Amino acid sequence: GAVVSQHPSRVICKSGTSVKIECRSLDFQATTMFWYRQFPKQSLMLMATSNEGSKATYEQGVEKDKFLINHASLTLSTLTVTSAHPEDSSFYICSARTGYNNQPQHFGDGTRLSIL
Amino acid sequence: SQQGEEDPQALSIQEGENATMNCSYKTSINNLQWYRQNSGRGLVHLILIRSNEREKHSGRLRVTLDTSKKSSSLLITASRAADTASYFCATVRRLAGGRETSGSRLTFGEGTQLTVNP
Repeated sequence: GAVVSQHPSRVICKSGTSVKIECRSLDFQATTMFWYRQFPKQSLMLMATSNEGSKATYEQGVEKDKFLINHASLTLSTLTVTSAHPEDSSFYICSARTGYNNQPQHFGDGTRLSIL
Repeated sequence: SQQGEEDPQALSIQEGENATMNCSYKTSINNLQWYRQNSGRGLVHLILIRSNEREKHSGRLRVTLDTSKKSSSLLITASRAADTASYFCATVRRLAGGRETSGSRLTFGEGTQLTVNP
């Protein structure tokens, strides 16, 4: 089945550091990738949607200058949390989909980000 | 905010029993999907049911969809301890004129935490 690789799986760093998270589709071309944030015992909150070669579409309330998204190829999207602070600590999950709406999304295993 | 609501929020059963989880949503949908999440991991796609379908099966999973009531259910039969996880429903909205776009996103429910006791 379709595989999405996300890394790193865990990051612990000091406040003010910028952190880059990669999301790769390993065996399919992902026309669309999604980035989610999940707090403990809560559902996934969509942060942004990115289509290959175009700018990401951010959800309301998500700062695009804080969460930089690049989708430079059909197999790779990156999320950079710039100048991270403790309130940015969370579980970040990417997903990828090929084609249109009746195709499922395939998720990475998530990145646990802890800012000290 | 999430458009979907799931109940129960938590469900604890014994191995071998069936588990039923329900999901309600508010808008017209193109399809509804169920996902599973083990603790601290990403989501695994279980099953997708289109708006013109009423029931779908996959192994021990049975999903129903009632678009008139804007609700869906996921039934796991003969549960196993390994089924312990959070289960989420997610919808893809139907846009005006029934259009589909590659950018349409999933809207997740709040999830049901299923615990299957050995």
